[in-house]
Amino acid sequence: DQQVKQNSPSLSVQEGRISILNCDYTNSMFDYFLWYKKYPAEGPTFLISISSIKDKNEDGRFTVFLNKSAKHLSLHIVPSQPGDSAVYFCAVWGFTSGTYKYIFGTGTRLKVLA
Amino acid sequence: KAGVTQTPRYLIKTRGQQVTLSCSPISGHRSVSWYQQTPGQGLQFLFEYFSETQRNKGNFPGRFSGRQFSNSRSEMNVSTLELGDSALYLCASSLSGQSDYGYTFGSGTRLTVV
Repeated sequence: DQQVKQNSPSLSVQEGRISILNCDYTNSMFDYFLWYKKYPAEGPTFLISISSIKDKNEDGRFTVFLNKSAKHLSLHIVPSQPGDSAVYFCAVWGFTSGTYKYIFGTGTRLKVLA
Repeated sequence: KAGVTQTPRYLIKTRGQQVTLSCSPISGHRSVSWYQQTPGQGLQFLFEYFSETQRNKGNFPGRFSGRQFSNSRSEMNVSTLELGDSALYLCASSLSGQSDYGYTFGSGTRLTVV
């Protein structure tokens, strides 16, 4: 069940520019929305989150936006740095299919070009 | 403090065999969740354990099972392995398992079934 979709499997951005990663979800009952970053041979690392009562959360270069009416989540990275090159997963937390769980998107591979 | 430790890092098994993967969570974390990552499917939730009890379960067949010990360490077992079980298996720990602070993931166990 593709309740969380990241429609762009990859994205390339020049160093110093903005990276925008997008995520769409189907269930309006989800409570929390998160972004994880994953480097090769490592587990995902929690990056930033937002609860369903907010529409924006900022942490340094990273800002997450939540548009509940559109069921859309985005992550902005400004300015992008080569070290940001990784796979980014969005995740939603809530009660679905009879259980509480995180549902992850399939990931977007970001490449920041020096 | 030590992170989430998963052993072994790599494993090769033949079809029909069974396998046991181990996860040691961060000290003090009582929730351990297991995920399967395959290309194109993102992270699929297997199950979550909290205080030695399976609290949530994903949509995987009964060949996939787990348990948690009194020290919060967890094991995942897959019986009668199939080729499609080849994946990266990730373990994640958190204090309570239900928050917007995200999980801490281990580096995973890469299982190859031949």
